[in-house]
Amino acid sequence: QQKVQQSPESLSVPEGGMASLNCTSSDRNFQYFWWYRQHSGEGPKALMSIFSDGDKKEGRFTAHLNKASLHVSLHIRDSQPSDSALYFCAASDTNAYKVIFGKGTHLHVLP
Amino acid sequence: NAGVIQTPRHKVTGKGQEATLWCEPISGHSAVFWYRQTIVQGLEFLTYFRNQAPIDDSGMPKERFSAQMPNQSHSTLKIQSTQPQDSAVYLCASSLEGGRLEQYFGPGTRLTVL
Repeated sequence: QQKVQQSPESLSVPEGGMASLNCTSSDRNFQYFWWYRQHSGEGPKALMSIFSDGDKKEGRFTAHLNKASLHVSLHIRDSQPSDSALYFCAASDTNAYKVIFGKGTHLHVLP
Repeated sequence: NAGVIQTPRHKVTGKGQEATLWCEPISGHSAVFWYRQTIVQGLEFLTYFRNQAPIDDSGMPKERFSAQMPNQSHSTLKIQSTQPQDSAVYLCASSLEGGRLEQYFGPGTRLTVL
């Protein structure tokens, strides 16, 4: 079983809308969480990290972490066509060198 | 800063041939990772170096895959006797150290085995 599971697999939102991506971990040792974004033909690029319970906001992007439920989410407000990409949730534990990636959510922002 | 450099960007090999993929990490980064990306499996960890020393190769298929980091400025991933199931995008990433810190990915090498 994947240690980091993402949902949905694919998501379409209209330009200007809100996109919500979810991630659940099955390993309580995971303490550090990341969101990465990959545009077609490129390598993944880190969007933001979240290590503490609660919300973290960076511009149009807000991440939320609930360690008790092992759930992390990413919300993108005012979605733009340039946000269309593959989004990965990633997690690492306190020994913290290996990062486990989820399978990703394909986000399509429709003009 | 040019970022992580990977060469070649595309490689086509015949079944049974050898493929060598190159990675130049960001200068000053002590951690180097190799991943394999496919539609079916997603992003799979292959191996990790810290300060050029191999730390974890638990994701490497044992028989035909090998990775080296002969100096701090480059790492290679070698696949011997390539098979069609090795077709994937191979990504190299580096970071100041592992795990907690942001990993910087290269653009990847797309390997196609005919």
